[in-house]
Amino acid sequence: QVQLQESGPGLVKPSETLSVTCTVSGGSVSSGTYYWSWIRQSPGKGLEWVGYIHSTGSTNYNPSLKSRVTISAATSQHQFSLRLTSVTAADTALYYCARVDGTYGGYWGRGTLVTVSP
Amino acid sequence: DVVMTQSPLSLPVTLGQPASISCRSSQTLVYSDGNSYLNWFHQRPGQSPRRLIYKASNRDSGVPDRFSGSGSGTDFTLKISRVEAEDVGVYYCMQGTHWPPTFGQGTKLEI
Repeated sequence: QVQLQESGPGLVKPSETLSVTCTVSGGSVSSGTYYWSWIRQSPGKGLEWVGYIHSTGSTNYNPSLKSRVTISAATSQHQFSLRLTSVTAADTALYYCARVDGTYGGYWGRGTLVTVSP
Repeated sequence: DVVMTQSPLSLPVTLGQPASISCRSSQTLVYSDGNSYLNWFHQRPGQSPRRLIYKASNRDSGVPDRFSGSGSGTDFTLKISRVEAEDVGVYYCMQGTHWPPTFGQGTKLEI
């Protein structure tokens, strides 16, 4: 059974870079036909799909965030990461990582809360 | 982006009674393969969302058969035939036909 665990800084200052990591157990980010994804949830915007890195290494990002977001994978460490630059209070959210298939079904982590505040 | 609109946003129900949630999309969700990539998720307090239904009407493994999904194109419905206590929480529809995937606002089901 695949399990995912997010880790992050908790608090980030405005204009700085948010970095969160997802550690995967029971699977490899470089095998299978999966989309290793980041989804965030906030009271203001609800659930928002940030983007994914495919098992092949290709990436796709939400156009609303594309200029600020990078998703990368460290396959040997069974991890993939989200980097979001120039954050504002609007980026305050619970950040989930997930492994999904082509129908967007699969496994989600429990989420890590990131607050953007001075 | 495709806008997903759910109704109602709040749904008080009685145990053992049926419940129904509507979801409408701003564009057709029919993909070139003929499928509508419409999912339904359930989120309990303090938990991550769990998918119940995929491709509009297919139940995920382990989902009780009191849950059913229907619809195609732009109009979809999630039905619970007899609500149980464990069904409380927020239900979301989500489209996966167009990039980026987008979610509805959520419907809070309360006993």
